[in-house]
Amino acid sequence: EIVLTQSPGTLSLSPGERATLSCRASQSVSSTFLAWYQQKPGQPPRLLMYGASSRATGIPDRFSGSGSGTDFTLTISRLEPEDFAVYYCQQYGSSSFTFGPGTKVDIK
Amino acid sequence: EVQLVESGGGLVKPGGSLRLSCAASGFTFSNAWMSWVRQAPGKGPEWVGRIKSKTDGGTTDYAAPVKGRFTMSRDDSKNTVYLQMNSLKTEDTAVYYCTAVSGFRFQHWGQGTLVTVSS
Repeated sequence: EIVLTQSPGTLSLSPGERATLSCRASQSVSSTFLAWYQQKPGQPPRLLMYGASSRATGIPDRFSGSGSGTDFTLTISRLEPEDFAVYYCQQYGSSSFTFGPGTKVDIK
Repeated sequence: EVQLVESGGGLVKPGGSLRLSCAASGFTFSNAWMSWVRQAPGKGPEWVGRIKSKTDGGTTDYAAPVKGRFTMSRDDSKNTVYLQMNSLKTEDTAVYYCTAVSGFRFQHWGQGTLVTVSS
């Protein structure tokens, strides 16, 4: 099973700042099978990015994704108040899906 | 608009059984691959299982912690997917989300149903 590690665990930033979130896989992951989700308290996760760098429907362009192999990054160019949440990466491989432990982006 | 509505959660004793249902609307259910994802209190999401569309074979895959205890099925005439959970353990306590899978990602999510396994 591929294990995903996310860093940092918590990112404390102010609105307007840039957020850079990392997702590292224990073995190589096809970019096609790497996705990112945003979750706010009391809500289900929401798909943000898929194929490592494609935005899901309705996701603003301040969100971008990059990476390949074992290292992937989610960047939020300028944080808006509604972006403070927990972010998870997810991969598919060998007929199973795994999620990372998440990065919490909170207000500094 | 895509809607996924879960039901069937509740309190059950260790060793007991529960069946969750997920009613889908707003998309062509018979063509969809469906998954269950759970989230224990204060933890990240964990994939539980997936069922392919009948045209893609209708086969199922499960995460290791639930394999042999949980079974997914679907009724395309009712646009509903099920999760039969047997031999429940305390560590199965979680919110269970029904999801529609697209391209190996969880495209749409329901609001979830809480399963509590406790004596």
